Amino acid sequence: ELKVEQNPLFPSMQEGKNYTIYCNYSTTSDRLYWYRQDPGKSLESLFVLLSNGAVKQEGRLMASLDTKARLSTLHITAAVHDLSATYFCAVDRVLNYGGSQGNLIFGKGTKLSVKP
Amino acid sequence: DSGVTQTPKHLITATGQRVTLRCSPRSGDLSVYWYQQSLDQGLQFLIQYYNGEERAKGNILERFSAQQFPDLHSELNLSSLELGDSALYFCASSVGIRLLHGELFFGEGSRLTVL
Repeated sequence: ELKVEQNPLFPSMQEGKNYTIYCNYSTTSDRLYWYRQDPGKSLESLFVLLSNGAVKQEGRLMASLDTKARLSTLHITAAVHDLSATYFCAVDRVLNYGGSQGNLIFGKGTKLSVKP
Repeated sequence: DSGVTQTPKHLITATGQRVTLRCSPRSGDLSVYWYQQSLDQGLQFLIQYYNGEERAKGNILERFSAQQFPDLHSELNLSSLELGDSALYFCASSVGIRLLHGELFFGEGSRLTVL
């Protein structure tokens, strides 16, 4: 069974600090997704990592994927209050002939609180 | 705005009742996915339809059913509702039957409260 574990789950951090969220998954998958969710809102796609060694950056967020270690990280640089949200990582099953099923398995989410 | 439209946004009903949630995918998308987000279970995949046909099933209860219509909108039917069915139900859509590059777009969700 494919499982996805995130940690930490409820970090509190100060503005201006750097922080990393870790996402471990239990079986082979070449695709890793990061989403952001504000309270009561939809899931906003942040990054889709499609291969081993993939690194993507957008503003203060950078995500990377190590498929050998089955680990993805979401690094936050110089956090600001606007980054307070719940961050989910998710994986799906890659099909032999390319693409994936889109039936994502989500982690429990990391509820990040950035304090001034 | 992802382009995926869900209605209703909020719904309050009683145990034992039946409700229908509706989803219109993004223009041009043929696949529709339903997810449930609850405090207990987190985000779980329920079911996928592609061009009117069921393509994948996840942790969907027998009391729940879904369908996708010729105009590609989808409905999720929840019956014999229990307190534990209270959750946020998301619809997502993608162009094809599979995600070649990871493009999956989520709607705003329908919040169901069962009293």
